[in-house]
Amino acid sequence: SQELEQSPQSLIVQEGKNLTINCTSSKTLYGLYWYKQKYGEGLIFLMMLQKGGEEKSHEKITAKLDEKKQQSSLHITASQPSHAGIYLCGADIGNAGNMLTFGGGTRLMVKP
Amino acid sequence: DAGVIQSPRHEVTEMGQEVTLRCKPISGHNSLFWYRQTMMRGLELLIYFNNNVPIDDSGMPEDRFSAKMPNASFSTLKIQPSEPRDSAVYFCASSFAGGNTEAFFGQGTRLTVV
Repeated sequence: SQELEQSPQSLIVQEGKNLTINCTSSKTLYGLYWYKQKYGEGLIFLMMLQKGGEEKSHEKITAKLDEKKQQSSLHITASQPSHAGIYLCGADIGNAGNMLTFGGGTRLMVKP
Repeated sequence: DAGVIQSPRHEVTEMGQEVTLRCKPISGHNSLFWYRQTMMRGLELLIYFNNNVPIDDSGMPEDRFSAKMPNASFSTLKIQPSEPRDSAVYFCASSFAGGNTEAFFGQGTRLTVV
């Protein structure tokens, strides 16, 4: 989707390293969702952010939403091979409740 | 709950044939989404239902694609006639409408049109 830009498109890190994935919108974000996808499988919900400045964490993954900048970041601390996959940000940019459009995804590989 | 159930998981068909993909949303969810995922275009929203009514079908690529939701527990996406460029993974997702709650995705149907 051109409305949500993710960077980088792909990322290879050494196990134990930290990393950050960014998601930028060209429109107002009414809700920002992070999902993870493994090859050949469906999307698994990670976190949802709604308010400007909101931050949520789950295990070693932290997501932040900067509503003024229409941007969100996903940070993984001390990456592990289990973190490998495709990370997608999705957003309700029409305030339709939960009609999500998605960014192009970030493909993460973690080298043991 | 078993989650969102899609069938078949894999489909290989010849160009020109009709293809029907099926989805059973999570019980109690009143929003249903069909997405298509390709390497070139990523994850695209095709159509969105709310309480079995199509709300936004602007993502449906052309008239060859049609989607129905005859009841709250079943939806179909039909392609007729199919073309090689329709090859993709098709996902169905469901959620509660209007509450800014997450959508739950099925495992997808990998469609190959030869």
